[in-house]
Amino acid sequence: EIVLTQSPGTLSLSPGERATLSCRASQSVSSSYLAWYQQKPGQAPRLLIYGASSRATGIPDRFSGSGSGTDFTLTISRLEPEDFAVYYCQQYGSSPYSFGQGTKLEIK
Amino acid sequence: QVQLVQSGAEVKKPGSSVKVSCKASGGTFSSYTISWVRQAPGQGLEWMGRIIPIFGTANYAQKFQGRVTITADESTSTAYMELSSLRSEDTAVYYCARETTVTTSDAFDIWGQGTMVTVSS
Repeated sequence: EIVLTQSPGTLSLSPGERATLSCRASQSVSSSYLAWYQQKPGQAPRLLIYGASSRATGIPDRFSGSGSGTDFTLTISRLEPEDFAVYYCQQYGSSPYSFGQGTKLEIK
Repeated sequence: QVQLVQSGAEVKKPGSSVKVSCKASGGTFSSYTISWVRQAPGQGLEWMGRIIPIFGTANYAQKFQGRVTITADESTSTAYMELSSLRSEDTAVYYCARETTVTTSDAFDIWGQGTMVTVSS
């Protein structure tokens, strides 16, 4: 089973700043099958990035993903007020699928 | 626009079972894979298993093996997740989610609204 570890646990930033979220896998993620989701309180997760770097439909271009193998990054270039939420990475390259524990992005 | 609509909240006794449904509207149900993910209060996301409706094949996370059964009814475009021998730790929101593939694997592009299952005596 692939274990995903996200860092930091909490990130405190101001609107307009750049956010960098990390996701490290315990073993290589097959075919870069790595996704990022955003979740706001009381809502289902929303797909942001798939295949490590492809934006999902309707996702603004301030969101970008990068990485391969065991190290992946989600970058939000300029934070908007609606971006403050919890972010999860997920690997879907091998069963069982797995999620990271999440990074909470909060307003500083 | 494809939507996944889940059944309503449930309150169950320890030791009992719960069955949650997930109905797809729009799109072609036979071209999807459906996964189930749960989230305990204040906690992260946990993958439980998935089913390819057109093949009827399911696979499960080892943690839930023997307690979870995922099925699908193509005629009604509905997937089901049944969890047995419930305990308080199973209290969570249960989500279904779609992968747009039946041959490989994919990210979850559409999610149901979630179903709260509370296990309490």
